Amino acid sequence: AQKVTQAQTEISVVEKEDVTLDCVYETRDTTYYLFWYKQPPSGELVFLIRRNSFDEQNEISGRYSWNFQKSTSSFNFTITASQVVDSAVYFCALSENKGGSEKLVFGKGTKLTVNP
Amino acid sequence: DGGITQSPKYLFRKEGQNVTLSCEQNLNHDAMYWYRQDPGQGLRLIYYSQIVNDFQKGDIAEGYSVSREKKESFPLTVTSAQKNPTAFYLCASSMRENNSPLHFGNGTRLTVT
Repeated sequence: AQKVTQAQTEISVVEKEDVTLDCVYETRDTTYYLFWYKQPPSGELVFLIRRNSFDEQNEISGRYSWNFQKSTSSFNFTITASQVVDSAVYFCALSENKGGSEKLVFGKGTKLTVNP
Repeated sequence: DGGITQSPKYLFRKEGQNVTLSCEQNLNHDAMYWYRQDPGQGLRLIYYSQIVNDFQKGDIAEGYSVSREKKESFPLTVTSAQKNPTAFYLCASSMRENNSPLHFGNGTRLTVT
């Protein structure tokens, strides 16, 4: 069965620190997609990134970067120079490539608190 | 602005009553989903619909029902058969392309006493 593990339940950092959120996944499929979502205090989840299993290139978007390593089944997320507005719950998710994202499996989330 | 609207934001019900949560989207998305979130837990899929007049059970469908009579609307009814209904409910939509990102509403927090 598919599984996503976010071992860090809560992380607290001081503004301007770098922080990495870990995500480890399990799947028997050779084709799959990985996602990261951000859930601010307002409640809605905001899509951050999607990565398919054939693309192991790391990605950088501003202060955000993602490290995908199939060898360790990990898809870690790093925030550089964190800011208070980064405070949120972050979810990693795994999807099978079976005609849509209806089989998205979410990790339990990591609550990030960035203190001024 | 395009988006997903869930109403109400907070809902209170007595045990034994059915309650319907509203979800409307104007993104012209074909697929819609209902997730349940409990404290410290990830999101669990209740029901999803990829097209009007069709829907499928997710991982925790027992005690819930849905309808999809219009593309824009996907209401969720929490029935009295749901043993532990107090939770945060999130509606989402996506395009029908493979693994399109989900767009979420702001959620409805349901409290049943």
